Amino acid sequence: EAQVTQNPRYLITVTGKKLTVTCSQNMNHEYMSWYRQDPGLGLRQIYYSMNVEVTDKGDVPEGYKVSRKEKRNFPLILESPSPNQTSLYFCASSLFRGDETQYFGPGTRLLVL
Amino acid sequence: AQKVTQAQTEISVVEKEDVTLDCVYETRDTTYYLFWYKQPPSGELVFLIRRNSFDEQNEISGRYSWNFQKSTSSFNFTITASQVVDSAVYFCALSDPNKDDKIIFGKGTRLHILP
Repeated sequence: EAQVTQNPRYLITVTGKKLTVTCSQNMNHEYMSWYRQDPGLGLRQIYYSMNVEVTDKGDVPEGYKVSRKEKRNFPLILESPSPNQTSLYFCASSLFRGDETQYFGPGTRLLVL
Repeated sequence: AQKVTQAQTEISVVEKEDVTLDCVYETRDTTYYLFWYKQPPSGELVFLIRRNSFDEQNEISGRYSWNFQKSTSSFNFTITASQVVDSAVYFCALSDPNKDDKIIFGKGTRLHILP
């Protein structure tokens, strides 16, 4: 089954404790991205990657890092989480840049205390 | 700059009524894609439709229909004979395949279908 998976689905952590949210797709997609969803703000793009070893900032990259060492994986790293990073995070992938449809993961709810 | 406006923050209708969700977009590009996504209470994002800027033909899929009008920069979504299971947040989105493929989302419309 074609899908985008994220782990963990739910996470409670404390300020400053490094964490990683994993994202994996099994569709051989080149393009992957991370979004955060906040009430009243919709979804905003954090980072995106057009292929292995190619990443770039989205609209709200501050406080986040990503890596793309393999085509299927695109982890989101919070080196020193802060309460304002409490949010719902979505990973997405598409076949290539310009492909019209992005497939979204199930989301990760993060609470930073 | 690209922008998507969903002016309706929250809508409540009684089951079996028809309901239209409005979406107005802004872009200077001639090539772009428009999307609708559904986010049920469980939280996942469900892709509903994608329309490219060169295809103004309206589309119907069961109880769902979409009205794309370039003249008014609108891409409205209508649910006919609504059901409780349609209760969700609906997002309209815009992307330009020639500009980093970023999707610009509207802020969403929360739809309540009352039994």
